[in-house]
Amino acid sequence: GDSVTQMEGPVTLSEEAFLTINCTYTATGYPSLFWYVQYPGEGLQLLLKATKADDKGSNKGFEATYRKETTSFHLEKGSVQVSDSAVYFCALSANDYKLSFGAGTTVTVRA
Amino acid sequence: DGGITQSPKYLFRKEGQNVTLSCEQNLNHDAMYWYRQDPGQGLRLIYYSQIVNDFQKGDIAEGYSVSREKKESFPLTVTSAQKNPTAFYLCASSIGAHLNTEAFFGQGTRLTVV
Repeated sequence: GDSVTQMEGPVTLSEEAFLTINCTYTATGYPSLFWYVQYPGEGLQLLLKATKADDKGSNKGFEATYRKETTSFHLEKGSVQVSDSAVYFCALSANDYKLSFGAGTTVTVRA
Repeated sequence: DGGITQSPKYLFRKEGQNVTLSCEQNLNHDAMYWYRQDPGQGLRLIYYSQIVNDFQKGDIAEGYSVSREKKESFPLTVTSAQKNPTAFYLCASSIGAHLNTEAFFGQGTRLTVV
């Protein structure tokens, strides 16, 4: 079945550091890929998405590129802020039209 | 404002009791979902519904039941058969069965069974 694997956390960084969260997937067909973010005590919000190979999703300084050859969708941000502290989820939507999520990566940014 | 509303935010129940979690959306979305979130395990799909009066089991449906009598509403019942019901429950909706569908999430209900 479809699945998503993302790097385990927690990840702790200083402000203005570079952030990368790795995400790889297994799916039949051509899935759409997403990054969702969850702030403490809240539901998830869409951060960015990509619907076909080589697409780059971007939002709030975060970027991720859909790499079909490596089945990856790594999340990056060049300079993190304390407000970026959250749990980040990689997800895919494939042929059966439901979302499959990774386990989540907790990111803490220190001032 | 359009959105998805879950209630209550916190819920306490005694062991052996059934409990129903509410989820309402005014986004005119066809599809709705229930996920369970446990620490370190991410989100696991309980049930989903792509259209009114139809729903499918997700990966961990045992001990749960749902109904979809109205487009706007997708309540989840946690039955006494669910062995470990204490968790954070998230409801979501999406515009339909499209590959590039974005899901919109509620704020969640934290259920504690004592």
